[in-house]
Amino acid sequence: GQNIDQPTEMTATEGAIVQINCTYQTSGFNGLFWYQQHAGEAPTFLSYNVLDGLEEKGRFSSFLSRSKGYSYLLLKELQMKDSASYLCAPMDSNYQLIWGAGTKLIIKP
Amino acid sequence: GAVVSQHPSWVICKSGTSVKIECRSLDFQATTMFWYRQFPKQSLMLMATSNEGSKATYEQGVEKDKFLINHASLTLSTLTVTSAHPEDSSFYICSARVGGRETGELFFGEGSRLTVL
Repeated sequence: GQNIDQPTEMTATEGAIVQINCTYQTSGFNGLFWYQQHAGEAPTFLSYNVLDGLEEKGRFSSFLSRSKGYSYLLLKELQMKDSASYLCAPMDSNYQLIWGAGTKLIIKP
Repeated sequence: GAVVSQHPSWVICKSGTSVKIECRSLDFQATTMFWYRQFPKQSLMLMATSNEGSKATYEQGVEKDKFLINHASLTLSTLTVTSAHPEDSSFYICSARVGGRETGELFFGEGSRLTVL
């Protein structure tokens, strides 16, 4: 079957760094997306990885290891507005995104 | 980035009535749009794939006669929840990819929160 494993909730301090891990199992693989979703709002795109390695985009970076079925999202210099759910969504062989429940990130002052 | 707009953002209706939600791609053409439903603290659930000019493709377990999808143009898809019941209360979100690239990022509408009394 297809599944995604992310921590349900994480807490971090403003200004710090946090890493959100994601392991996945899919039927085929066509890349992995990370989305941010604030409470009551629709998801917004953060990153897309299709090759192994680290992709850096400002304060956010995303890493992928296809052989391990593993990805992480790294958030630096955390701000209060980063409090949100972070969704790891791999894409299977049919180009369908597989969605987990996401990781709720709580930022404390 | 591309813009996808949904309307209405909030809707409250009585049980048994029908509700229509519109999804528009404002600055690009979308031959395919996706409709999701999300219950509190749960993952996005793909309901159906809306294809311009043809019938929608529904996911297993989603009643096509209850959730009517019409993709009449390259910029508009509509979802009609027919004979709505309280258990249909949820957050409905549409999305689309630019240029139809299968690995392109999804742009989401703002979502429509439906409450059925």
